[in-house]
Amino acid sequence: DAKTTQPNSMESNEEEPVHLPCNHSTISGTDYIHWYRQLPSQGPEYVIHGLTSNVNNRMASLAIAEDRKSSTLILHRATLRDAAVYYCILSPSNSGNTPLVFGKGTRLSVIA
Amino acid sequence: DAGVTQSPTHLIKTRGQHVTLRCSPISGHKSVSWYQQVLGQGPQFIFQYYEKEERGRGNFPDRFSARQFPNYSSELNVNALLLGDSALYLCASSLRGAGAYNEQFFGPGTRLTVL
Repeated sequence: DAKTTQPNSMESNEEEPVHLPCNHSTISGTDYIHWYRQLPSQGPEYVIHGLTSNVNNRMASLAIAEDRKSSTLILHRATLRDAAVYYCILSPSNSGNTPLVFGKGTRLSVIA
Repeated sequence: DAGVTQSPTHLIKTRGQHVTLRCSPISGHKSVSWYQQVLGQGPQFIFQYYEKEERGRGNFPDRFSARQFPNYSSELNVNALLLGDSALYLCASSLRGAGAYNEQFFGPGTRLTVL
């Protein structure tokens, strides 16, 4: 399985933008980049995914490098509710057919 | 609409015992996956079931088994419990359709403690 590298932890002030980086230098041409997050005492939840182009949804934006060897999850205005562990995952599928391979993720702390 | 539900919420067992964990997927979802999350680590894939058949298995010993029922609910069974089986067990469901993106929806998990 393709590997991802994320910082162990990051900190942000409330209402400030947050940029969560992910390196995936061994990504293959068919790998999708998925982001999930896990709030305290909950199961992971889907945030966003993409293949080559930058993506936006109501939760976040995903910026993908031109060579696809890295990506950045952008939270435009962090709230206290965004404090969670964020996982960057590569998967050769855009469907729920393929098991997700989680790393340790980035623990985001948001300061009021 | 109800999300993925799991039972029980918490469970305490002793070494050598057997445990059964249950999962009900979101209505209309036919695929169920099980993950184990040890404290401080990301979830690790155990099994995936679709239409009552095993479609994937992670690197777990044969003490772990699962099944999916006609109503698409699922059970995870673990025999001969070891201290290292203490973890949060997560169930995820998805539509498993081709084409459009089908995210995995996770339940809150069952916290298993083995003493």
